[in-house]
Amino acid sequence: AQSVTQLDSQVPVFEEAPVELRCNYSSSVSVYLFWYVQYPNQGLQLLLKYLSGSTLVKGINGFEAEFNKSQTSFHLRKPSVHISDTAEYFCAVVLKGGATNKLIFGTGTLLAVQP
Amino acid sequence: NAGVTQTPKFQVLKTGQSMTLQCAQDMNHEYMSWYRQDPGMGLRLIHYSVGAGITDQGEVPNGYNVSRSTTEDFPLRLLSAAPSQTSVYFCASSQGQQGRPQHFGDGTRLSIL
Repeated sequence: AQSVTQLDSQVPVFEEAPVELRCNYSSSVSVYLFWYVQYPNQGLQLLLKYLSGSTLVKGINGFEAEFNKSQTSFHLRKPSVHISDTAEYFCAVVLKGGATNKLIFGTGTLLAVQP
Repeated sequence: NAGVTQTPKFQVLKTGQSMTLQCAQDMNHEYMSWYRQDPGMGLRLIHYSVGAGITDQGEVPNGYNVSRSTTEDFPLRLLSAAPSQTSVYFCASSQGQQGRPQHFGDGTRLSIL
């Protein structure tokens, strides 16, 4: 069965420090990969996506992620975080070749940026 | 551009009551879906639709019904509310092709007493 694992439920970090949020997936078919961000009491917004091509993708707000096919990972990074980056971050996949655009989500990582 | 609009934003129900959560999008998207979000469990797919007149079950469909009579609207019905359905519900839409980013509403926070 396909699944998405976010190893850290919560990541505390000081302002201006770098951060990496980890995401691994398990699938018997190729996938499209996404990171979404959810600010308090809001819906989800697309941060970035990997469909094909360069394995390093850049998103909004200075975030980037790298697709590693051999390790089935898609870790999210930011070199210097801001207080406003405090939010929950979700990794998700869509299975290629299917008839729908169904997203399979990880359980989320709460990024808590401290001053 | 309104995007995806969900109503109501908050609702409290008693066990056994029924209600409909509304979802509307103005982007002419073919694909629409409903998720529930529970602490520590991420978002789980309830039902989805690939176009008007076509719906299918997701991961956790029990206790919920959907219909898609128009491209714009995708209501979610709770038939007989149970405390286990206390959750935050999100509606999302996208173009039909795989890999297209999904647009989410702001959610409906539902409590079942």
